[in-house]
Amino acid sequence: QKEVEQNSGPLSVPEGAIASLNCTYSDRGSQSFFWYRQYSGKSPELIMFIYSNGDKEDGRFTAQLNKASQYVSLLIRDSQPSDSATYLCAVNPWAGNMLTFGGGTRLMVKP
Amino acid sequence: EAQVTQNPRYLITVTGKKLTVTCSQNMNHEYMSWYRQDPGLGLRQIYYSMNVEVTDKGDVPEGYKVSRKEKRNFPLILESPSPNQTSLYFCASSPEGARVYEQYFGPGTRLTVT
Repeated sequence: QKEVEQNSGPLSVPEGAIASLNCTYSDRGSQSFFWYRQYSGKSPELIMFIYSNGDKEDGRFTAQLNKASQYVSLLIRDSQPSDSATYLCAVNPWAGNMLTFGGGTRLMVKP
Repeated sequence: EAQVTQNPRYLITVTGKKLTVTCSQNMNHEYMSWYRQDPGLGLRQIYYSMNVEVTDKGDVPEGYKVSRKEKRNFPLILESPSPNQTSLYFCASSPEGARVYEQYFGPGTRLTVT
C-alpha cells in the first residue's frame, strides 16, 4: 500500500465548475500536508499547505484536512483552463524530515 | 531572482560512466533535497540535507551520493549509472524551521542511461 494515494485521473471538469481533488495517507502521525501543481514538462510548485484539521482558503483554492479519516483534499473554485495540470499531494510523515508525494491527479478543465 | 538551478538540464550517458548533476540555490535556504520522478511512481526523495555537512537518505538512495559542503550547493553524484536510473530529477530547497517543507523546485534534469 502506497503511503500517499491519489486517483491518477484524468479528472475532467467544465470551465467555471468546482474541481475536487482527494488524497489519502497511511501514516496517522503525519504532521503537515501540501498541494503542489505541476504543469506538463515543468517543475512542481507549491500552491497550498495545511497543518490543522479543517479548511484553509487561499483565493480560489481551499485545502481541507481530516486527520481522523486520514485524507486531505483540494477544491478549486471557478476552474479555469489554466488550472489544467497535475496536482501532487505531499505529506510529512511522523518519522523523518522529508516529504512523501502521491502519484498525482491530472486535472483537465475544458472551456 | 530567487531560484534553484540545475545543470545539465538534459543528459544522455552510458552505463558505468560517473556523472554529477549540480544544484544551486540563491535563497540562503537551509534545507535541500533531490527527487526523481518516474511515470506511475510519482516523486520519490533520494537524499536530503538539513544543513551544511548534514545529509540523510530519502526513500530511494541506492546508487546515489550527495554532498553539502556549501549552503547553496547540493550536487547529486551517480558513481556508476545504470539504465534503471533513467529518470527526471528535481532538486529542491526550502527555508528552515516550520517552513522547511515549503519546497522550491529546480527546473529538472532529464537523465537517460543507455
